[in-house]
Amino acid sequence: GENVEQHPSTLSVQEGDSAVIKCTYSDSASNYFPWYKQELGKGPQLIIDIRSNVGEKKDQRIAVTLNKTAKHFSLHITETQPEDSAVYFCAAKWTNAGKSTFGDGTTLTVKP
Amino acid sequence: GAGVSQTPSNKVTEKGKYVELRCDPISGHTALYWYRQSLGQGPEFLIYFQGTGAADDSGLPNDRFFAVRPEGSVSTLKIQRTERGDSAVYLCASSFAIDSNEQFFGPGTRLTVL
Repeated sequence: GENVEQHPSTLSVQEGDSAVIKCTYSDSASNYFPWYKQELGKGPQLIIDIRSNVGEKKDQRIAVTLNKTAKHFSLHITETQPEDSAVYFCAAKWTNAGKSTFGDGTTLTVKP
Repeated sequence: GAGVSQTPSNKVTEKGKYVELRCDPISGHTALYWYRQSLGQGPEFLIYFQGTGAADDSGLPNDRFFAVRPEGSVSTLKIQRTERGDSAVYLCASSFAIDSNEQFFGPGTRLTVL
């Protein structure tokens, strides 16, 4: 089955700096890669996703890149703000299968 | 509109007891998913439904776990003879259809087995 590894497990940055979180996956059949933000006591919330036919996607301060050959994808957050502090999860999924396989999360702390 | 709701938000039970966790998906979503999240880890897939039928229950850890969705909307996750290792946050998600990749998560039910 699919295996997703995520790192770093914790990341601390100064407000205004950039943050990068990286994930690798094992199953070449996976073709959908979402990123979720989870705040304390809440469920994961989708913040950006990318499909395997695209190499990069950007939404304001957030961008995701995908390297299918190397089976890795990354989340980039620019101009970080204290409200970006949360746990971020990457996941991998095959469109025709219901389940997503998640990484173990990155706790991002943005210091004001 | 309303998102995915889960009840109860917290459940404390004793080892050996039976518990039921409820999920109300977003109206019109045909696919429903259950995940389990242990402290410091990502959500782990348990089971998903397309309509009333369980399309994939390969993530259920053993036969103490069972889930139903009798009318294709609300789902109940049932755990028999609870063990301390069952303590976790149980997350429910729904999507418009199985091949609609985006899954919308509820806030979860925190289960504590004493």
